[in-house]
Amino acid sequence: ELKVEQNPLFLSMQEGKNYTIYCNYSTTSDRLYWYRQDPGKSLESLFVLLSNGAVKQEGRLMASLDTKARLSTLHITAAVHDLSATYFCAVDRRSGGSNYKLTFGKGTLLTVNP
Amino acid sequence: EAGVTQFPSHSVIEKGQTVTLRCDPISGHDNLYWYRRVMGKEIKFLLHFVKESKQDESGMPNNRFLAERTGGTYSTLKVQPAELEDSGVYFCASSQDTRPNTEAFFGQGTRLTVV
Repeated sequence: ELKVEQNPLFLSMQEGKNYTIYCNYSTTSDRLYWYRQDPGKSLESLFVLLSNGAVKQEGRLMASLDTKARLSTLHITAAVHDLSATYFCAVDRRSGGSNYKLTFGKGTLLTVNP
Repeated sequence: EAGVTQFPSHSVIEKGQTVTLRCDPISGHDNLYWYRRVMGKEIKFLLHFVKESKQDESGMPNNRFLAERTGGTYSTLKVQPAELEDSGVYFCASSQDTRPNTEAFFGQGTRLTVV
């Protein structure tokens, strides 16, 4: 059974600081997603990482994927209050035929304090 | 273009009652997924429709849950009778194709509270 573990689950940080969220998964998969969720809102796709060594950046967020280590990281640079949200990583897995389904981590609740 | 929409956004019901959740996918998306997040736990897959056909319902917790997608457009998820452990946020997602083409887009979720 595919397991996805995120850490930390809770992260309180000051504005201007850097931090990294980690996402480990247990079996082979070559497609990893990072989502952001604001309270009461939908999951917003941040990054889709398709291959080993993939690195993507958007603003103050940068995501990377190491498929050999089964590890993805989401790095936050110089955090600002607007980044406060819950961040999920998810790995997709074939569920039969050509169908795939997502397996999520528990999410990281990020709070950025002034 | 409208995104994935879910109704209602919140529902509070008593144990033993019935609740029906609705999901309207993005127009033209054949694939529709239901997921659920129980408090403090992971978001877990419930089932997957391709048009009106159930492709994978391996995540459905038990036979109190019934999902339908008549006509291949919107979908409903009925819980009958509801139990306390059914409380959580139910997410719907849709995609135009399964891999490798597109990712799934999520709705805002329905927060279900069973008291």
